[in-house]
Amino acid sequence: DGGITQSPKYLFRKEGQNVTLSCEQNLNHDAMYWYRQDPGQGLRLIYYSQIVNDFQKGDIAEGYSVSREKKESFPLTVTSAQKNPTAFYLCASSTFYRGVTDTQYFGPGTRLTVL
Amino acid sequence: KNQVEQSPQSLIILEGKNCTLQCNYTVSPFSNLRWYKQDTGRGPVSLTIMTFSENTKSNGRYTATLDADTKQSSLHITASQLSDSASYICVVRKAKTGGYNKLIFGAGTRLAVHP
Repeated sequence: DGGITQSPKYLFRKEGQNVTLSCEQNLNHDAMYWYRQDPGQGLRLIYYSQIVNDFQKGDIAEGYSVSREKKESFPLTVTSAQKNPTAFYLCASSTFYRGVTDTQYFGPGTRLTVL
Repeated sequence: KNQVEQSPQSLIILEGKNCTLQCNYTVSPFSNLRWYKQDTGRGPVSLTIMTFSENTKSNGRYTATLDADTKQSSLHITASQLSDSASYICVVRKAKTGGYNKLIFGAGTRLAVHP
């Protein structure tokens, strides 16, 4: 899991509530990513950020929001607008130098269940 | 359409036996291909990375092959151990055409090694 931590490991949410998933890295990586993993499917990119105070939508950004106020941190908020939020969420980070990203290192994941 | 297909979906083998996992892709333009190992409830960990010019790369008991002409890759596991039980994910990176180098994830092969 490298130097990436995610918390909590398990999260339960009632319908209609927003929840925030934490992701912190001490690898001095510029780029950070959020993915969603569902059974039988490949990881899908939600948001990514290549520098502080900037982030871009991935393939499935609807119903999610992020912030990147610090290099080390990239929290993900799952809003009530996300229709099917129950999933395993993975955060990753990589170097980003001269427009090139390198190997992505993943955190241990957060399993979100909507009750 | 950029896709990564893995087979088989799941596999059960006895400890000490060898196995081969397959990955076919249609991602273009191609940059590189990685195999990740993901233990249950954990984040993926990179095993190998292969670029267009590489045919074979080994990492201990793991050997990956790449045929860029047929767009196929395989991961061969030799003398399997119980700790090899995990999901193995094939990931293809698109060559950068502006902005983020997109990763396309396969759904994974779930391997179970039984004593």
